[in-house]
Amino acid sequence: DGGITQSPKYLFRKEGQNVTLSCEQNLNHDAMYWYRQDPGQGLRLIYYSQIVNDFQKGDIAEGYSVSREKKESFPLTVTSAQKNPTAFYLCASTNPNTGELFFGEGSRLTVL
Amino acid sequence: AQSVTQLGSHVSVSEGALVLLRCNYSSSVPPYLFWYVQYPNQGLQLLLKYTTGATLVKGINGFEAEFKKSETSFHLTKPSAHMSDAAEYFCAVTMRDDKIIFGKGTRLHILP
Repeated sequence: DGGITQSPKYLFRKEGQNVTLSCEQNLNHDAMYWYRQDPGQGLRLIYYSQIVNDFQKGDIAEGYSVSREKKESFPLTVTSAQKNPTAFYLCASTNPNTGELFFGEGSRLTVL
Repeated sequence: AQSVTQLGSHVSVSEGALVLLRCNYSSSVPPYLFWYVQYPNQGLQLLLKYTTGATLVKGINGFEAEFKKSETSFHLTKPSAHMSDAAEYFCAVTMRDDKIIFGKGTRLHILP
């Protein structure tokens, strides 16, 4: 089935450690996105990539990094510079014809 | 700055009553508009979308929304609420630079 796969679903890390969240899609979409979700805050855009080997900062990019070496993959690294990393992270890609976002199931990161 | 405003972070309706979730956006050009639904610990699913054409759009699960350009609104309605409609709902707008902006979400509670 076509879709977005995020892993891991749950992740616990100690403060000061970098963590990488995986996002893979088999929808053949060019554009991919990372959002952070906190209660009452909605979805806030971290990074997005419209094409391989290119990406742009979103509204809250500080403390995060991404890469886009392959069309199918858009991993997000939460670095130790991110002050409050505990959150639910959502990866998505867009259908270029309709603009519709397709989401993964999310990754919940808890920093202890 | 472009923005999406959802009025009411929590809305409660009785089972069988009308559901109305409000969304207003700021954009100088006609955007693409979406409503997504999220169940706990899951990604977002598309309910409906407006791109061009008819301003009243119908989505899944009996929901519909009307694009009113003069009011810059895209309110979501359902004539009769069901217990299974309890979830969080997000309005989203696609801007011309392919950024997708979300509102902060409205949690819908259904009262028996």
